Amino acid sequence: DAGITQSPRHKVTETGTPVTLRCHQTENHRYMYWYRQDPGHGLRLIHYSYGVKDTDKGEVSDGYSVSRSKTEDFLLTLESATSSQTSVYFCANQLAEGYEQYFGPGTRLTVT
Amino acid sequence: GENVEQHPSTLSVQEGDSAVIKCTYSDSASNYFPWYKQELGKRPQLIIDIRSNVGEKKDQRIAVTLNKTAKHFSLHITETQPEDSAVYFCAASVGPSKLTFGTGTRLQVTL
Repeated sequence: DAGITQSPRHKVTETGTPVTLRCHQTENHRYMYWYRQDPGHGLRLIHYSYGVKDTDKGEVSDGYSVSRSKTEDFLLTLESATSSQTSVYFCANQLAEGYEQYFGPGTRLTVT
Repeated sequence: GENVEQHPSTLSVQEGDSAVIKCTYSDSASNYFPWYKQELGKRPQLIIDIRSNVGEKKDQRIAVTLNKTAKHFSLHITETQPEDSAVYFCAASVGPSKLTFGTGTRLQVTL
């Protein structure tokens, strides 16, 4: 599983509150990704990182920000959570281009 | 950007039969096409992938075919077993990093 973990695994929060999800890897892979998974939409890319302090937007980045200050951690922040951000969030890592993307166990976020 | 369509959304087959899932993509520059399997409550896991310089790839009971001209690729599972029951996702990318996923196919293998 490429030593990838996510925390928390479950979270319930209220609309308007900030939320940070953490992705941690032990494998020192260069690339990291945040996806959200919703019924009928598959997995959609939120943000990704090609290295420390090197991040870029995916297809559904509005309302989300990320940070990567260390190779092993990739943080996803919802500055002001909305009900439309209720979802399952998956982090993934990848050694380099040409290699498999490994997914973390996921975080189920509910915004009430 | 890339758009990936996947069909069918649900598929039920009897144990021992074959299952075929089809995907089409829009960006002719896409050159990497992985397939992921996701069991209920679990993370997606790569089961097979193919690159644009290859037309077909097999791994035991699983095969993937790619038609670059028509911009579609398919997953074939032969001799299906109950443990093949899961949701399958196709994906495409220009280079194997920024993946665009299909919406998934729920495969049910019945006894």
